[in-house]
Amino acid sequence: QSALTQPASVSGSPGQSITISCTGTRSDVGGYNYVSWYQQYPGKAPKFMIFDVNKRPSGVSNRFSGSKSGNTASLTISGLQAEDEADYYCSSYTTSNTWVFGGGTKLTVL
Amino acid sequence: QVQLVQSGAEVHKPGASVKVSCKASGYTFTTYALHWVRQAPGQRPEWMGWIYGGNGNTEYSQYLQGRVTFTRDTSTSTVYMELSSLTSQDTAVYYCGRGLGYYGFDYWGQGTLVTVS
Repeated sequence: QSALTQPASVSGSPGQSITISCTGTRSDVGGYNYVSWYQQYPGKAPKFMIFDVNKRPSGVSNRFSGSKSGNTASLTISGLQAEDEADYYCSSYTTSNTWVFGGGTKLTVL
Repeated sequence: QVQLVQSGAEVHKPGASVKVSCKASGYTFTTYALHWVRQAPGQRPEWMGWIYGGNGNTEYSQYLQGRVTFTRDTSTSTVYMELSSLTSQDTAVYYCGRGLGYYGFDYWGQGTLVTVS
């Protein structure tokens, strides 16, 4: 299964906004709204941050938002905080009845 | 609260098999699927498949077909992942995650490191 494409790293200063892209194909990101995003700290399990492209699970800060256009989904984090520094992964359901993840983006808060 | 608690780290030699458990609590076990996702060191997560808590139906990723088996025990709300014919490529942290329909995985276990060496 081909991975979704994410930038390897992004960075921003506290208070700024950043956006992480996640590019797939019509067989995954472009074919469904079943895109989710996960935050992962080193040595920890992923945390569910966004689902259904732009919905937040209970307890996730409204500084996190999602969107999608065509085959590319995006995660935006506004009002960056030091605690946001982590790896972020996108994921999508696919036409093969499987799930695929992105390569991950390391967010650095300067 | 929903919790998924996995068994501890394992070390195995190439060619051996490993069985990892994931005990669920805090929700009705039979109404959700549990997925298995593995993550090799420094790599992206890789979806392995799922098992439905209700009827035990399974779906496996094609690249693992024939080597992986998921089972469940409804009396203890536990699912098991067994992987055979291990190679060094199978060295990874293995996670179970509760499936939220097609939307993704809303709760995760703490992960189980499997080392093949």
